[in-house]
Amino acid sequence: DAMVIQNPRYQVTQFGKPVTLSCSQTLNHNVMYWYQQKSSQAPKLLFHYYDKDFNNEADTPDNFQSRRPNTSFCFLDIRSPGLGDAAMYLCATSLTGAEQYFGPGTRLTVT
Amino acid sequence: AQKVTQAQTEISVVEKEDVTLDCVYETRDTTYYLFWYKQPPSGELVFLIRRNSFDEQNEISGRYSWNFQKSTSSFNFTITASQVVDSAVYFCALSEGLTSGTYKYIFGTGTRLKVLA
Repeated sequence: DAMVIQNPRYQVTQFGKPVTLSCSQTLNHNVMYWYQQKSSQAPKLLFHYYDKDFNNEADTPDNFQSRRPNTSFCFLDIRSPGLGDAAMYLCATSLTGAEQYFGPGTRLTVT
Repeated sequence: AQKVTQAQTEISVVEKEDVTLDCVYETRDTTYYLFWYKQPPSGELVFLIRRNSFDEQNEISGRYSWNFQKSTSSFNFTITASQVVDSAVYFCALSEGLTSGTYKYIFGTGTRLKVLA
């Protein structure tokens, strides 16, 4: 089945230790999004790729970076995780239109 | 500014009761999309419905129904004969056009639904 896959589902990292979260898709969608969802809050868009074009939200901290080496894969890099970065990270894809397809998320814990 | 308001933070019902989740939105766009997603404890966002701004017909899917009223900027969601498996957080979302040519979602703060056996 075509889908959005996120690995790992759970990630524990140490304060200040760089971490990378992975998202892959078999939908061949040209737009990929990364959202951060903190406990009991709504998902918040960090950035998105439209094909190879990177689009950052104005309030996304510099600590968060992203890479999209090809259509299928997109990575979220957190350069120096702080305790406040503990959250669920959701990847989503879209075929240019309004409907987004979400992956299962990666729950990040920072110790 | 684009905004979605889900005034109900948490609702508890007894199984088999009907329950309505409210969603009110603000947008400057003439064309837009509205969505409802379910988020069970596992964390995945499960798509329930998309409605485009030109289609005001109500929709029913099994025990779920949606009432879209542009006049009041509302897009409410009703679960009939609720079940324990309906327990989750439900998010209403509004599309916002981006300069990149695609859209992003403006989410409401979510409503936590607890269905008690």
